[in-house]
Amino acid sequence: QKEVEQNSGPLSVPEGAIASLNCTYSDRVSQSFFWYRQYSGKSPELIMSIYSNGDKEDGRFTAQLNKASQYVSLLIRDSQPSDSATYLCAPDSGGYNKLIFGAGTRLAVHP
Amino acid sequence: EAGVTQFPSHSVIEKGQTVTLRCDPISGHDNLYWYRRVMGKEIKFLLHFVKESKQDESGMPNNRFLAERTGGTYSTLKVQPAELEDSGVYFCASGHTVGQNTEAFFGQGTRLTVV
Repeated sequence: QKEVEQNSGPLSVPEGAIASLNCTYSDRVSQSFFWYRQYSGKSPELIMSIYSNGDKEDGRFTAQLNKASQYVSLLIRDSQPSDSATYLCAPDSGGYNKLIFGAGTRLAVHP
Repeated sequence: EAGVTQFPSHSVIEKGQTVTLRCDPISGHDNLYWYRRVMGKEIKFLLHFVKESKQDESGMPNNRFLAERTGGTYSTLKVQPAELEDSGVYFCASGHTVGQNTEAFFGQGTRLTVV
C-alpha cells in the first residue's frame, strides 16, 4: 500500500464545474496536510493547507479533512482552463515537518 | 520577496562526474528541504535542515549524496560520483514553522541528467 494514494486521472471537467480531487493516506499520525498544484515542467506551488478536521475554504478552493478516515480532498469551484494541472496531496510524515507526496491527480478543465 | 532559488536549472553530466546543486531559501526560513522526482515517480523526500543542522536525512539514497547548509543560509547537494539512476529533478523547499505547522515553498528545481 502506498503512503499517499491519489487517482492519477486525468480528471476531465467542463469549465465552470466543480472539480473534486481525493486523497487517502496511511500514516495515522499525520497532522498537517497540503495541496500543491504543479503545472507541466514547473515546480509544486502550495495552494492549500489544512490541519483540523472539517472544511477550509480559500477563494474557489475548499479543502476537506477527515483524520478518522485518513482522507483529504480538494474541491475547486467554477473550474477554469487555467486550473488544468497536476494536483499533489502531501501529508506530513509522522507528525513531523517532512512531506510525503502522492503521485498526483491530473486535472483537465475543458472550455 | 524573493522565493526559493535553485542553481543551476539544468545540468547534464557524465556518469562518474561530480555535480553540486545549490539552493537559496526564502530569507528567514529556518527549514530547508531537498526532494527529488525521478521520471514517472512521486516526489521523494531526501533530507531536512533546521538552520544548519540536519534534522532528518533518512531519504538520502546512499553515501554518494552529501548535503550541507552553511551557516543556516544556502544549501548545497553534491552527488559524487554521479550514476545514471541519479537523473531526475531535484527540488529544494523552504519553510517557516508557526506553532507545529510548517508550510513549504518550492524552488523551480534543478533537472539533472546523467549520461
